[in-house]
Amino acid sequence: AQSVTQLGSHVSVSEGALVLLRCNYSSSVPPYLFWYVQYPNQGLQLLLKYTTGATLVKGINGFEAEFKKSETSFHLTKPSAHMSDAAEYFCAVSDGGQGGKLIFGQGTELSVKP
Amino acid sequence: GAVVSQHPSWVICKSGTSVKIECRSLDFQATTMFWYRQFPKQSLMLMATSNEGSKATYEQGVEKDKFLINHASLTLSTLTVTSAHPEDSSFYICSARDVRTSENEQYFGPGTRLTVT
Repeated sequence: AQSVTQLGSHVSVSEGALVLLRCNYSSSVPPYLFWYVQYPNQGLQLLLKYTTGATLVKGINGFEAEFKKSETSFHLTKPSAHMSDAAEYFCAVSDGGQGGKLIFGQGTELSVKP
Repeated sequence: GAVVSQHPSWVICKSGTSVKIECRSLDFQATTMFWYRQFPKQSLMLMATSNEGSKATYEQGVEKDKFLINHASLTLSTLTVTSAHPEDSSFYICSARDVRTSENEQYFGPGTRLTVT
């Protein structure tokens, strides 16, 4: 079975500050890992994903995440927060099989203060 | 590319009636679509996996007779909430898996807000 834990349901940063959203996963098979962003009353947009290969993954809008197998983590970072980054962020894991089911974390709401 | 639409974007219905929500992949074919439910300030909960031309696979605890799923073509899946009750009010989101990729990436629709009065 797979699971995802996002530490911190709400994170607040100042504009220009580092963004760090934490995600830990549990998987009995090599995982596929994803970060999605959701704006109010909208669907999810993929920020980045890790499947195989390079463990540091760069995504859209300046976000990146690093897959650390030893720590079972896939934390999302951005060097400098913008007001437009305020949204809900979800980490998700898949087993990489043909079923393709995604298991989501509980989400982290990011607030950006001016 | 990889756009998924949902219709309607919001719907209000009376208790006891049925509501159909459509999920379409606009520029790609999707043999597999997923239906999620999201309560306010909560995460997405997978309800069912919809496979083109076959019966949907429901997650544990999801009533298959209440949430009818049909995936009649490679670009369309529908979710029908039958005999809706106020507790069915939620945000329903679909996603579609592009058959061209092997990395299980799902593309999400914009969601449908269902309110049952």
